[in-house]
Amino acid sequence: GAGVSQSPRYKVTKRGQDVTLRCDPISSHATLYWYQQALGQGPEFLTYFNYEAQPDKSGLPSDRFSAERPEGSISTLTIQRTEQRDSAMYRCASSPGRDNEQFFGPGTRLTVL
Amino acid sequence: KNEVEQSPQNLTAQEGEFITINCSYSVGISALHWLQQHPGGGIVSLFMLSSGKKKHGRLIATINIQEKHSSLHITASHPRDSAVYICAADPYTDKLIFGTGTRLQVFP
Repeated sequence: GAGVSQSPRYKVTKRGQDVTLRCDPISSHATLYWYQQALGQGPEFLTYFNYEAQPDKSGLPSDRFSAERPEGSISTLTIQRTEQRDSAMYRCASSPGRDNEQFFGPGTRLTVL
Repeated sequence: KNEVEQSPQNLTAQEGEFITINCSYSVGISALHWLQQHPGGGIVSLFMLSSGKKKHGRLIATINIQEKHSSLHITASHPRDSAVYICAADPYTDKLIFGTGTRLQVFP
């Protein structure tokens, strides 16, 4: 595709609900990253994929957070039993491979009431 | 102490001024990224560098590996350069460590 896309752009949910965020990377990009960005802060690493493999998920804040990339292209980030502290911008980025420039999506702003 | 620190946190300038934003890091890195976050929230990669200097238009990025320091320079600044500039260090793991950003405002 022309760029990295994410959906939805905005999500408002009630505490305790599950949410799933989607990232559609640039086609043929091997590597896909998920970041969490709190208001006024820089992004923080959550996890990344090389194709469908997930070598590092050490940044996921708790076991309520999980990510998938089953066919090595589109990825989803799921937050179970959302809490207010999960409210943030969730950003996805893709790159041709490791040690390459990253291309960022527009982000999904999640608000947990 | 954060592993990646930027200065200044906020910067205002008049159009045409030369701008420097600094980034210091405390970890060994394979690369240093400079990113621009627009007022609308989108993030654009400006540079990825592991040594020396890179230039793109009015933007110049330099890095000194021995001193663990990088700078982003903007020549002939313009109001459209107003944004948050973020540096991010890659400590050989692809797990980028981000600075908190420098908010730049350029006034006409």
